[in-house]
Amino acid sequence: GQQVMQIPQYQHVQEGEDFTTYCNSSTTLSNIQWYKQRPGGHPVFLIQLVKSGEVKKQKRLTFQFGEAKKNSSLHITATQTTDVGTYFCAGPGTASKLTFGTGTRLQVTL
Amino acid sequence: ETGVTQSPTHLIKTRGQQVTLRCSSQSGHNTVSWYQQALGQGPQFIFQYYREEENGRGNFPPRFSGLQFPNYSSELNVNALELDDSALYLCASSLGTDALGGYTFGSGTRLTVV
Repeated sequence: GQQVMQIPQYQHVQEGEDFTTYCNSSTTLSNIQWYKQRPGGHPVFLIQLVKSGEVKKQKRLTFQFGEAKKNSSLHITATQTTDVGTYFCAGPGTASKLTFGTGTRLQVTL
Repeated sequence: ETGVTQSPTHLIKTRGQQVTLRCSSQSGHNTVSWYQQALGQGPQFIFQYYREEENGRGNFPPRFSGLQFPNYSSELNVNALELDDSALYLCASSLGTDALGGYTFGSGTRLTVV
């Protein structure tokens, strides 16, 4: 079945440093979504990318969808402590329902 | 606009027992998907309900079952609980079955099986 892997599993940065997480799917995706889950919380939808090579920005967050529509990345510029959490990518998988990646946990310290 | 609400928030059950978890979808959403999230892992798709019928199922045994009601709320039932069923159970609602536009998740039910 489809697998969605993310790297790194964990990243610890100092506040103000940049952060990037990469998402790779074993199959071509019609779209990719990104979610953020704060510690003890639930996933919250951030964005959806649909087109090959698409780039979208949300303030300090930049999302990219690969040309082959099998990979994606999330880049955060100048991290803040409010960015702490686990970031998941997700794409259509089993029965065309959302399959979540393995997640990247981000820790930000002052 | 009300979000997705789940109940109960926490639950402790004994191995072999049965449990029912409840979910009220966001206003205007007609589809409910259930996910299991073990500690430190990503959510795993259990099944989805649309128009009161199961519309897709992940790799979970038949002892995981569900219902959707005319008001789009949903229940997840798990029979013959096993220790490995301990997890956060998340309900997500959406408008339509393909999740275009993203899912809205509830806060989840933390199930502990002892």
